[in-house]
Amino acid sequence: QKEVEQNSGPLSVPEGAIASLNCTYSDRGSQSFFWYRQYSGKSPELIMSIYSNGDKEDGRFTAQLNKASQYVSLLIRDSQPSDSATYLCAVKGAGTASKLTFGTGTRLQVTL
Amino acid sequence: GAVVSQHPSRVICKSGTSVKIECRSLDFQATTMFWYRQFPKKSLMLMATSNEGSKATYEQGVEKDKFLINHASLTLSTLTVTSAHPEDSSFYICSARDPGKTYNSPLHFGNGTRLTVT
Repeated sequence: QKEVEQNSGPLSVPEGAIASLNCTYSDRGSQSFFWYRQYSGKSPELIMSIYSNGDKEDGRFTAQLNKASQYVSLLIRDSQPSDSATYLCAVKGAGTASKLTFGTGTRLQVTL
Repeated sequence: GAVVSQHPSRVICKSGTSVKIECRSLDFQATTMFWYRQFPKKSLMLMATSNEGSKATYEQGVEKDKFLINHASLTLSTLTVTSAHPEDSSFYICSARDPGKTYNSPLHFGNGTRLTVT
């Protein structure tokens, strides 16, 4: 079983729509959750971090965390063509020695 | 936010040669840096954790003699791919954690190095 799972996509949404990206993780003790955006050929860029159950909003982005279901999602409102990228979910377990584990990413395509 | 600079951004080398990649933390001190590798259409895989003033911690399956890591100062970590082979061709990315934050704060990544071994 993969530690962090994402649908590879591509997820295609029209410009202006809401894009919903999902991620599940296997380590129930995980404490920290991150969404990164990665454009082709570039390194990942942090979009959101979330540590507590519930929603966290930042501009057009909303991260949602449900630890009981071991599920974290990212919503992108008013999707723009510039949002087209691969979105990586990353999860960190408890403790200083735990490492950050990445999902394989979901490719998002925002169409005109 | 924290800025991590990585150099070179792209390198092409011949099989059997060694390549050094530098990772610098700008405007902050990083006692720990992380080296990742990413193959096409795959996720980031942690190779090793670089510790200032001490030996790096390598992930299972990563050859420490092949991927030499040196973290001699609080702002610089280097990864040397020794005796490179075509299968080492990949995207190598270093990262560091927000300075002054807790252990669960996000990582910030350098721009990555695209290594092609011919």
